[in-house]
Amino acid sequence: DAGVIQSPRHEVTEMGQEVTLRCKPISGHNSLFWYRQTMMRGLELLIYFNNNVPIDDSGMPEDRFSAKMPNASFSTLKIQPSEPRDSAVYFCASSLANYNEQFFGPGTRLTVL
Amino acid sequence: KQEVTQIPAALSVPEGENLVLNCSFTDSAIYNLQWFRQDPGKGLTSLLLIQSSQREQTSGRLNASLDKSSGRSTLYIAASQPGDSATYLCLLGQNFVFGPGTRLSVLP
Repeated sequence: DAGVIQSPRHEVTEMGQEVTLRCKPISGHNSLFWYRQTMMRGLELLIYFNNNVPIDDSGMPEDRFSAKMPNASFSTLKIQPSEPRDSAVYFCASSLANYNEQFFGPGTRLTVL
Repeated sequence: KQEVTQIPAALSVPEGENLVLNCSFTDSAIYNLQWFRQDPGKGLTSLLLIQSSQREQTSGRLNASLDKSSGRSTLYIAASQPGDSATYLCLLGQNFVFGPGTRLSVLP
């Protein structure tokens, strides 16, 4: 199994630009999670999906952030417009179901100048 | 609101020592607890998952315990090796809250 795949691995953009992060979960997994890691706040849950349906998006910081899961094998996290304080590592994780073992992707390191 | 702490924040030990890492939480209504390691600049690697109905899980030199009533989980690492050096994080399977992590250094 290829594991959770994220792209791009690194993204550098300028303030105000739109950023789209992508995730492919492990085949057969029904739950998908987006986390953000910063030095100041550690790892935080942004949103999670179960069977392609968003279950809890209370961690999404602002309306500038949106996430979609159009099918079981693909999810996007979009930031529009991006700001320097959005600079962080964004991780995607998947699991068989909500409360099963989570497996993480390698992360996307986002830098907003 | 669930609050998770991990003490100590950093730990340095000589190779071969047995050690215990702690994860404490305030709300005992959890479904499970998962331990991860994270190497610098890398992603998270799952180590062990303990379901709320379990008290222990073992994998190789690692043993994790869970005591929901006291709001505590421990990760025991036997015969530590330099390759165990990493940050260890716990994740609560309730509202998916991470602890801040313990940075472990095992000195050769």
